[in-house]
Amino acid sequence: DIQMTQSPSSLSASVGDRVTITCRASQSISSYLNWYQQKPGKAPKLLIFAASGLQSGVPSRFSGSGSGTDFTLTISSLQPEDFATYYCQQSYSIPQTFGQGTKVEIK
Amino acid sequence: QVQLQESGPGLVKPSETLSLTCTVSGGSISSYYWSWIRQPPGKGLEWIGYIYYSGSTKYNPSLKSRVTISIDTSKNQFSLKLSSVTAADTAVYYCARGPSLTLEYWGQGTLVTVSS
Repeated sequence: DIQMTQSPSSLSASVGDRVTITCRASQSISSYLNWYQQKPGKAPKLLIFAASGLQSGVPSRFSGSGSGTDFTLTISSLQPEDFATYYCQQSYSIPQTFGQGTKVEIK
Repeated sequence: QVQLQESGPGLVKPSETLSLTCTVSGGSISSYYWSWIRQPPGKGLEWIGYIYYSGSTKYNPSLKSRVTISIDTSKNQFSLKLSSVTAADTAVYYCARGPSLTLEYWGQGTLVTVSS
């Protein structure tokens, strides 16, 4: 299985901050990397597909980059509704696997 | 707008079979890949498997011996069966739709507890 490692596991930030979350794959996955946002008690929501594609309806303050083994999710200006847990997921091979999550908390 | 809704027992006894159904509305099930994912309380996400509308399936090797996913296109539903459950199978179970392994639409999730 391909292991996905996110960093940090949690972070504290203020509204308006620029936030960056990193995801590393244990082997190359080309651009087969997706990002999801999950709020407590809710299902995950697709934010970014294929490393840098913005899912329809997702605010443009979210962006993704990277290829191969190293990927980044950036929130350019953190908003109150962005406090949540973020997961990366590789869709390169079966079984698809997720990172352990990064919890973004209010500072 | 596509909507997915999981249904099934919230409590299953150890060694028995967990059975869940996902009902799809707002679109036809006769396309795309239909997945099951689970999340133990307070933990991360684990992909269980998917079924293509044609009926072909792929499962997570870690669960493959216990999992069956099936589809009923006439009812716009697909189902999950997980046999020989233990407490480790206690989780919120989600159904989802995607183009291949990208999970574009999710159900709200249903908590299944394994306990006697």
